[in-house]
Amino acid sequence: GAVVSQHPSRVICKSGTSVKIECRSLDFQATTMFWYRQFPKQSLMLMATSNEGSKATYEQGVEKDKFLINHASLTLSTLTVTSAHPEDSSFYICSARVSGLRNTEAFFGQGTRLTVV
Amino acid sequence: EDQVTQSPEALRLQEGESSSLNCSYTVSGLRGLFWYRQDPGKGPEFLFTLYSAGEEKEKERLKATLTKKESFLHITAPKPEDSATYLCAVGRGGSEKLVFGKGTKLTVNP
Repeated sequence: GAVVSQHPSRVICKSGTSVKIECRSLDFQATTMFWYRQFPKQSLMLMATSNEGSKATYEQGVEKDKFLINHASLTLSTLTVTSAHPEDSSFYICSARVSGLRNTEAFFGQGTRLTVV
Repeated sequence: EDQVTQSPEALRLQEGESSSLNCSYTVSGLRGLFWYRQDPGKGPEFLFTLYSAGEEKEKERLKATLTKKESFLHITAPKPEDSATYLCAVGRGGSEKLVFGKGTKLTVNP
């Protein structure tokens, strides 16, 4: 299957600082990438859909000014958590689908464990 | 509204004890049903895609089936390494997004 690489896998940051998470599709082009948040023992919560070359579409209740998404190329999307607070601590996961094939499976990155202290 | 319901929430099996996980869905214009496996602290790993009722896919001890209302993930003679959370998701026409169920946590005891 296709490979999606997410970096870093773990990050600890201080309250008030910003942290950037990268998501790369290594062997395919992804017009659309997705960012999820997962709380302990819960399923994936979609935060936003990231489209190459355009603004991301955020789900209801997700602060777009806090979670900045940039999809600058067909293989890279980034999520920046700005002015992080302890309640932002969570497991963040990205996924990507192969461009042009709307009904194909999504491939996921390894996830990023963010801890805000 | 699209919905995906997985049952049971948790399942404990003895090694070699076969069973099935259920994924019931309501979606307008199904465009794929997807099964994933997720290990603790990892991103979901893709297992199967099913597109139409009657379709079946197999991989090692796993077999996925699909009807118009639900999908089953059959696990034959499971091993402890099959322990994980299994997620089901659906896609629909006109949307890039997948709708996920809450998952079934499978534990296989040796």
